Amino acid sequence: GIQVEQSPPDLILQEGANSTLRCNFSDSVNNLQWFHQNPWGQLINLFYIPSGTKQNGRLSATTVATERYSLLYISSSQTTDSGVYFCAVGTGNQFYFGTGTSLTVIP
Amino acid sequence: EAQVTQNPRYLITVTGKKLTVTCSQNMNHEYMSWYRQDPGLGLRQIYYSMNVEVTDKGDVPEGYKVSRKEKRNFPLILESPSPNQTSLYFCASSGGGGANVLTFGAGSRLTVL
Repeated sequence: GIQVEQSPPDLILQEGANSTLRCNFSDSVNNLQWFHQNPWGQLINLFYIPSGTKQNGRLSATTVATERYSLLYISSSQTTDSGVYFCAVGTGNQFYFGTGTSLTVIP
Repeated sequence: EAQVTQNPRYLITVTGKKLTVTCSQNMNHEYMSWYRQDPGLGLRQIYYSMNVEVTDKGDVPEGYKVSRKEKRNFPLILESPSPNQTSLYFCASSGGGGANVLTFGAGSRLTVL
């Protein structure tokens, strides 16, 4: 299967700070999504972004498919951004997840 | 409300006692899949289904069965659960096509003693 590596594994931020999360993958994919798992365990889709750049409020994401990586930017972080961020890549009907970045935002 | 519903949310059982975790979606999605989440390993795909009566193995199918007799339902069956199947399980669905955006259920925490 495809290997997915996320960095950093853990991140602690002061409220209001910015951060960049990275996702590297080992092979060509036709699907890439970012998810946020909140402290209650819910997985929420943030972006579907197999290539290019998208923005949604304080969050944005960029995927460079030819170089096999994706970045998730969080600006002006808030305590509600805390949780684990997962990158998932897909080929055909199979999906592979990274081990996540655990983000803690402190007031 | 568009959603994926899993039941039970929490279950403690014993080794060898067959159990089924149900998954239902109300979005008329063709694609459904099951994952398990374990500490340090992220989510791993167990099985997926492209449509009714069409299922296939994911990365970690051993010890699990699935069926897709109706489009909305995709149950996960553990015929003889073992302690190494203690995990947090998620069901997801998507409309397929060019934008396979996954919508996840709330998760089912299973403990096998």
